[in-house]
Amino acid sequence: NAGVTQTPKFQVLKTGQSMTLQCAQDMNHNSMYWYRQDPGMGLRLIYYSASEGTTDKGEVPNGYNVSRLNKREFSLRLESAAPSQTSVYFCASSEWSGGGYTFGSGTRLTVV
Amino acid sequence: KQEVTQIPAALSVPEGENLVLNCSFTDSAIYNLQWFRQDPGKGLTSLLLIQSSQREQTSGRLNASLDKSSGRSTLYIAASQPGDSATYLCAVRRSNYQLIWGAGTKLIIKP
Repeated sequence: NAGVTQTPKFQVLKTGQSMTLQCAQDMNHNSMYWYRQDPGMGLRLIYYSASEGTTDKGEVPNGYNVSRLNKREFSLRLESAAPSQTSVYFCASSEWSGGGYTFGSGTRLTVV
Repeated sequence: KQEVTQIPAALSVPEGENLVLNCSFTDSAIYNLQWFRQDPGKGLTSLLLIQSSQREQTSGRLNASLDKSSGRSTLYIAASQPGDSATYLCAVRRSNYQLIWGAGTKLIIKP
């Protein structure tokens, strides 16, 4: 099915470990996004990429880095995981500034 | 600052009823408004997208309206079914690649 694919779906990390969350879309969208969702906090934007070759900070970028590998792929890296980064992470894409968003199914990350 | 409010926070109705979910926003300078549903432990599914120049969109039993001047959108669900039980989120898109989210309405449809 066409859409946004995230891997892995679940992950448990120890404090200080690093990992990369992968995201790929096959809709030829220009823009891609990483969000985190926490109970009572709603969805918060971590980083976004308006187009291939560009990335920008969102609302909560500290502790994360991103790479827009090509038009299809946008990865999120945690260099040194902290318990505060326990969350559900969603990747999304959109076609243009006025278009709608398509979300992936999420990655549930626990940092112990 | 754009703020998005969804009322009610939770709603429980018997199967078969028609219902309305509300979303209000404070700044009418928007690109579009999008309604999503989220099932527990799952991702977000886009339901309807209304561009700022549009008044409504329809998909099956769902109808979403947009009144920019009053800062309101409604999601109308006809003939509700237990499978409609989920959290419904509205999000307003600003001009700078940012979505402003409502807190959601948790909907329960009782068989």
